[in-house]
Amino acid sequence: GDQVKQSPSALSLQEGTNSALRCNFSIATTTVQWFLQNPRGSLMNLFYLVPGTKENGRLKSTFNSKESYSTLHIRDAQLEDSGTYFCAAEIGGSGNKLIFGTGTLLSVKP
Amino acid sequence: DAGVTQTPRHEVAEKGQTIILKCEPVSGHNDLFWYRQTKIQGLELLSYFRSKSLMEDGGAFKDRFKAEMLNSSFSTLKIQPTEPKDSAVYLCASRTGYEQYFGPGTRLTVL
Repeated sequence: GDQVKQSPSALSLQEGTNSALRCNFSIATTTVQWFLQNPRGSLMNLFYLVPGTKENGRLKSTFNSKESYSTLHIRDAQLEDSGTYFCAAEIGGSGNKLIFGTGTLLSVKP
Repeated sequence: DAGVTQTPRHEVAEKGQTIILKCEPVSGHNDLFWYRQTKIQGLELLSYFRSKSLMEDGGAFKDRFKAEMLNSSFSTLKIQPTEPKDSAVYLCASRTGYEQYFGPGTRLTVL
């Protein structure tokens, strides 16, 4: 189901511009991970978040557990930022596992 | 440090065949996950091991899918018999505490 909803589903950016991706959660989640899947298919870790904000270079991510959403901000987009961005909610129970969103396909153009 | 490795990278099977996919987690990682990725369903969890014990057996995937972890540094995913709808990318991930780290995946095509 739509336990983790990502928006937008696709985005085209001009090089050098800024944008934000969003995930909304309809399940209780303790932590959030963000990944980038490059055109070759490799999933790379971007952030692991407890409630709060982290920054790494041109990327900044926030997880607001009270309002059940997370955002990923991209500043000064570069061509190599192109790919599919996934957020994933970690849920507990018998063992912590990830529920993935459907992804945002980002295309950065020169 | 070597990351998660998966073999083969590509596999083509005829309907009804048995195929075995392999994964080596990052050394020292206690948790191992198998996922399937398709355009329609996205990323779905198939199996999850913690210290070689099966924690999650994939619910709807139990039927023809069997994941095993014979030792802490090697896992297999067997699909038997394969069907065309099994065509997907199969991803393995491992974790020692918090973040999951993914392998490059195996692209399976079932004809």
